[in-house]
Amino acid sequence: KAGVTQTPRYLIKTRGQQVTLSCSPISGHRSVSWYQQTPGQGLQFLFEYFSETQRNKGNFPGRFSGRQFSNSRSEMNVSTLELGDSALYLCASSLDGGPGFGNIQYFGAGTRLSVL
Amino acid sequence: GQQVMQIPQYQHVQEGEDFTTYCNSSTTLSNIQWYKQRPGGHPVFLIQLVKSGEVKKQKRLTFQFGEAKKNSSLHITATQTTDVGTYFCAGLNMDSNYQLIWGAGTKLIIKP
Repeated sequence: KAGVTQTPRYLIKTRGQQVTLSCSPISGHRSVSWYQQTPGQGLQFLFEYFSETQRNKGNFPGRFSGRQFSNSRSEMNVSTLELGDSALYLCASSLDGGPGFGNIQYFGAGTRLSVL
Repeated sequence: GQQVMQIPQYQHVQEGEDFTTYCNSSTTLSNIQWYKQRPGGHPVFLIQLVKSGEVKKQKRLTFQFGEAKKNSSLHITATQTTDVGTYFCAGLNMDSNYQLIWGAGTKLIIKP
């Protein structure tokens, strides 16, 4: 079974641009969560999608948005990039109800975004 | 809001020494999960604890869930170089809209 696939793996953007990251979950997983990871900051929860609906949201500004498609693939968008948005963005998929119901999260390798 | 405090932030050990990381929640948890992230890698699930006072072992790793379900620990006996990485706990609180609350992680560093 293929794991969680995130594309692209690396991305370089400049301030003010926007970016879209993609995540394909494990087949059969309907919950997709997104996290931002910066050195020394641990995992900061962005949002979770389940059955095309955003079910939970972390404390990030509205520049960060996401969506989920009917095949459970998810995209995350960041508009008007700032230098502080440079980070590793991780996607995780879960079975059925998702992490909020005690399901294990399977992480992708992440997209490393650098904002210059 | 709900928080899960994880300490220490870093732990330097000689190979062969033990390692322990602790997680403490301000509220009662339904369950707690532990993940390991190797340098340059992504978090990988280790274990989930559900019951009050639960203790689970995986070879040299021992996981505990407190009686009050507000704290948890991971203890590694006789560390090896393969144990290097950051260990995260993630607690589930039903009052937090079914959202996992992550600890900040403890980085295990083996002294050369």
